[in-house]
Amino acid sequence: DAGVTQSPTHLIKTRGQQVTLRCSPKSGHDTVSWYQQALGQGPQFIFQYYEEEERQRGNFPDRFSGHQFPNYSSELNVNALLLGDSALYLCASSPRLASSFNEQFFGPGTRLTVL
Amino acid sequence: DAKTTQPPSMDCAEGRAANLPCNHSTISGNEYVYWYRQIHSQGPQYIIHGLKNNETNEMASLIITEDRKSSTLILPHATLRDTAVYYCIVRVFQGGSEKLVFGKGTKLTVNP
Repeated sequence: DAGVTQSPTHLIKTRGQQVTLRCSPKSGHDTVSWYQQALGQGPQFIFQYYEEEERQRGNFPDRFSGHQFPNYSSELNVNALLLGDSALYLCASSPRLASSFNEQFFGPGTRLTVL
Repeated sequence: DAKTTQPPSMDCAEGRAANLPCNHSTISGNEYVYWYRQIHSQGPQYIIHGLKNNETNEMASLIITEDRKSSTLILPHATLRDTAVYYCIVRVFQGGSEKLVFGKGTKLTVNP
């Protein structure tokens, strides 16, 4: 089992550009969450996808959008990049079992640098 | 906003127990306390979780006070590889789904 995989590992963009990050969940997991981690800070929840729909959203602008595919993999899109979007973007997967323990497995992240 | 507060940093000698405190005074009755750690340049790794009772697994022990307003993560015999940022998290469960609300965590340094 490869666990949660993310691509690319590193990315450099300039202000105003758009970026797409990808995530493949752990085998058997159907729920994907995305987090942004600025340097020196804890991860901040962006949104969560289940059954190809956004189920929960954190305090992030509409420039941040996502998608989930039928095979449960997911994409995070960020439009009109700002310098402040530079961060480590983490994907976490879990099984959708309401009211029960469901540990989130995190991927290694994608390091985005906006110049 | 994070529902937890932790000291920003701690040190521990290799081989000794590391006791990491966490305050979560506003936790609700059905909210779990989770602990994750993040080793430099890696994604967070699950350690342990609990609701009311003390918990133990192969990695650590979790002691939750009776009023549930605080907890302590115990690494019984810390090694150099346990150097990491440790996050105490309250799981927020809304509308059939959950999210983890991270704070800044405690940077634990295990010294030889």
